[in-house]
Amino acid sequence: GAGVSQTPSNKVTEKGKYVELRCDPISGHTALYWYRQSLGQGPEFLIYFQGTGAADDSGLPNDRFFAVRPEGSVSTLKIQRTERGDSAVYLCASSFSGGGNYGYTFGSGTRLTVV
Amino acid sequence: AQSVAQPEDQVNVAEGNPLTVKCTYSVSGNPYLFWYVQYPNRGLQFLLKYITGDNLVKGSYGFEAEFNKSQTSFHLKKPSALVSDSALYFCAVRDMDTDKLIFGTGTRLQVFP
Repeated sequence: GAGVSQTPSNKVTEKGKYVELRCDPISGHTALYWYRQSLGQGPEFLIYFQGTGAADDSGLPNDRFFAVRPEGSVSTLKIQRTERGDSAVYLCASSFSGGGNYGYTFGSGTRLTVV
Repeated sequence: AQSVAQPEDQVNVAEGNPLTVKCTYSVSGNPYLFWYVQYPNRGLQFLLKYITGDNLVKGSYGFEAEFNKSQTSFHLKKPSALVSDSALYFCAVRDMDTDKLIFGTGTRLQVFP
C-alpha cells in the first residue's frame, strides 16, 4: 500500500485478556519500529526489526509484550494478560533500510483501551 | 545517551504571525534531527529532517527549522501561522547506535484567528 497500515484502529479489551496489534509496512521497507504513546506524552520506543529479526527490543516493558515479523513484512505486537496501564496508542513506523537516511513513515496507530 | 527537550508544553500565536517551536538536543557525534506533527486521533506526519548540509532546512506545509550546533538547538519555524497549523509537534533525534527515534515530550501549538 501507499502508507503504513495499522489494524485495528481501536481496540477495547478487558483486563487480563490477550491482544494482537497488526502493522503492515510500506512495501519494500526492511526496517519496522513499534512505539507506544501514552496520553500527553511523546512516543516511546518498544522494538525495532530489520528484516525478520528484532535488532533492538530494549523498549519492551516486560515479558508480557512480544512482537514478531516472520516474513519480513507484516508485524504483530502481542500483549498478554493486559493491564490498565497498557492503555495507550501503539504506533508503527517503517523505513527503507535505515530511518536515519531514508526517514520514518508512521501509521495512524492503534488505540488500545484496557478496561 | 541521545535526547531531545521541548521546553514549552504549549505555544500560542495569532494567525498570520510567525511561530517558533523550540527543541534542544543532546547527542554524541553529529545529530540526525526530525520534526513531526500530530493531529487529533492521527499518527505522526513527517515535516522535515536535518542530517547534514545547510543549517536551514525547509519542509512540508511551509515549515522550516534551523540547526544551530553551538546552541544545540533545532527550532521549528513558520513565517506566517495558520489556524490549521494547530496541532501537537514533536522533535526527535535518531539514536546513532540503534536507528530508533527518541522523541521529545511534544509542544501543543494553538493558532488563534
